[in-house]
Amino acid sequence: EAGVAQSPRYKIIEKRQSVAFWCNPISGHATLYWYQQILGQGPKLLIQFQNNGVVDDSQLPKDRFSAERLKGVDSTLKIQPAKLEDSAVYLCASSSMGTLQEQYFGPGTRLTVT
Amino acid sequence: AQSVTQLDSHVSVSEGTPVLLRCNYSSSYSPSLFWYVQHPNKGLQLLLKYTSAATLVKGINGFEAEFKKSETSFHLTKPSAHMSDAAEYFCVVKGEPGGYNKLIFGAGTRLAVHP
Repeated sequence: EAGVAQSPRYKIIEKRQSVAFWCNPISGHATLYWYQQILGQGPKLLIQFQNNGVVDDSQLPKDRFSAERLKGVDSTLKIQPAKLEDSAVYLCASSSMGTLQEQYFGPGTRLTVT
Repeated sequence: AQSVTQLDSHVSVSEGTPVLLRCNYSSSYSPSLFWYVQHPNKGLQLLLKYTSAATLVKGINGFEAEFKKSETSFHLTKPSAHMSDAAEYFCVVKGEPGGYNKLIFGAGTRLAVHP
C-alpha cells in the first residue's frame, strides 16, 4: 500500500513570497490533516478535512494560510505572503473516517523562509 | 483542555540498556493517549495507543507504555535499547472525546543510543 505522498520535500523562499505544498493521501482515506512542526516542537494541527469539507481550522492563520482539498483526494496548502516564523516542516497525514483511526504521516516538506 | 508534557527533551542510553521516556498528561476527560516515533527524514509512525482498555499497552519494536491515572502519566519503556531506536519520540493525546480525530502532540524527546 502506498503511503502519504508530499511534494516538494524542501523549499527555500524569501519572506513575502508565496509557496504551495501538495499532498496525496492514502487511497480511500476520507480524512486529511495538515500539521506544522517548528524546529524543537511537536506537530501542531493546522487544518483537518473530512472528504471535501473543513472540520477544524481553528489554528490556521487565515490571513496568510489557505488550504483546499480537490474532489476529496489531493490537497494543497498555500502560504501567501510568507514570514520568517513560517519556517517549519509541514506534515500531511490521512486516516479513515472516525475517531481514534490511526493517522498515517507523509515525510513532510521542509520550508525555509529567509 | 487536553495537553501532554514530555519531561525530558533528550535521553541518552547505551545499547542493550533499558529505555524510559516520560510523559504526563492533562485531561478533563478519560484520555486516549499515543506514542509516535519520528526517524530522520521519515514520516511519523504510531508506536502504540491507549484507549481505556488494558492499562499496559504493547506496541511495535518491543516498546510498551503504562497508563497510570493516579499519576497522570503514560511513560514509554523498552527493556533493551537498540541502535535503530535512536529517533524523536512524541507523546500525544487525542482532543476532546467523540468529535473529530484531533491529536495534540508533546514537544518530543530525542533518544540517543550509544554503542
